[in-house]
Amino acid sequence: DAGVTQSPTHLIKTRGQHVTLRCSPISGHKSVSWYQQVLGQGPQFIFQYYEKEERGRGNFPDRFSARQFPNYSSELNVNALLLGDSALYLCASSSGGGLHFGNGTRLTVT
Amino acid sequence: QQQVKQSPQSLIVQKGGISIINCAYENTAFDYFPWYQQFPGKGPALLIAIRPDVSEKKEGRFTISFNKSAKQFSLHIMDSQPGDSATYFCAASMAGYGGSQGNLIFGKGTKLSVKP
Repeated sequence: DAGVTQSPTHLIKTRGQHVTLRCSPISGHKSVSWYQQVLGQGPQFIFQYYEKEERGRGNFPDRFSARQFPNYSSELNVNALLLGDSALYLCASSSGGGLHFGNGTRLTVT
Repeated sequence: QQQVKQSPQSLIVQKGGISIINCAYENTAFDYFPWYQQFPGKGPALLIAIRPDVSEKKEGRFTISFNKSAKQFSLHIMDSQPGDSATYFCAASMAGYGGSQGNLIFGKGTKLSVKP
């Protein structure tokens, strides 16, 4: 079975722009979570979606939003990008067990 | 306020030795404690996890020891190999929707180097 897939793998944006990151969970997994990992730190929780509804939100500004589609895939949107948004964005899926992460999208904001 | 504290920040071990990484947590409502392994350019991969009703769990060369009263847990890697060189993260969470662990609180990571 395919693991969690994320696209794109790398992205370069300019301050003030908007970005959309995409995630396809492992087949059968209904829960999708998003994390931000700054270089040298552990991942930090942004959102969890379960059955297409937001079930949890971390300490991130309203510039960050997400949604989950009927096929359980998900998008993370970030508006008005700041230099500090540069990070690895990780998507993870689960099905009543541990989280399984994708390899992330490396976002660089210049 | 950091809820999961991990130490050491870095660790160098000789091939065949034992690697030990420690974590301490604050929130007694946490009921799930996983360890993740991350290689450069890759996402974290789930290694092993434990719940607080068990004091130890072993999977191959990896063992979690859990001390509920001290609010501490540790990862032991037996017979460490150069291929184990990676960054290791401990984490903790409470049960989420559908039994899924959506909101993991991660430690800051330990960079392990295993010398041949």
